[in-house]
Amino acid sequence: DTAVSQTPKYLVTQMGNDKSIKCEQNLGHDTMYWYKQDSKKFLKIMFSYNNKELIINETVPNRFSPKSPDKAHLNLHINSLELGDSAVYFCASSPRGGNTEAFFGQGTRLTVV
Amino acid sequence: AQSVTQPDIHITVSEGASLELRCNYSYGATPYLFWYVQSPGQGLQLLLKYFSGDTLVQGIKGFEAEFKRSQSSFNLRKPSVHWSDAAEYFCAALRKGSARQLTFGSGTQLTVLP
Repeated sequence: DTAVSQTPKYLVTQMGNDKSIKCEQNLGHDTMYWYKQDSKKFLKIMFSYNNKELIINETVPNRFSPKSPDKAHLNLHINSLELGDSAVYFCASSPRGGNTEAFFGQGTRLTVV
Repeated sequence: AQSVTQPDIHITVSEGASLELRCNYSYGATPYLFWYVQSPGQGLQLLLKYFSGDTLVQGIKGFEAEFKRSQSSFNLRKPSVHWSDAAEYFCAALRKGSARQLTFGSGTQLTVLP
């Protein structure tokens, strides 16, 4: 059973389109995240949700909108895609408290053409 | 500002040789520390973590890391590298009591020569 799963794994789309990436975790964790990995492999937090509530919103264009219908899901919707949005997007989850690590999904490679 | 630094962008070792990947952190207080590995086209897999206690931590795949408070370092080591260890390695830190977002280093690409 996959702990953190993202779909799709690959996404190629044209500039200006709107797309969504879905993420689900079956670990019972309270907190979920979206990270962006750029072309230089640098990983940076975008959003964090705790029990469906947004708790971290880094400097991300408002074309990016996370949606958490329940604590097991955190989807990422991107409007008006731009070339610079091309990256690998990782979903992750962790328990709210305690000493433990974040568990990552396999990533979604988004290519905007 | 909090930061994690991996000074080596790319390291090449021969199969069977020993490996050390460097990681330094800059935090007000000692954070939780992690090493993740990313194989080509794959997600991030946790190798090991340090929260407190014994400063030498063992991880999966034969990796270990040593926390040195005096040097603000958390270097990853492996005594004998296998070809399958070729991957990107990320050091990460989590500030205690924070909203729990990880701060990552810029990664070290490991190439293993036959």
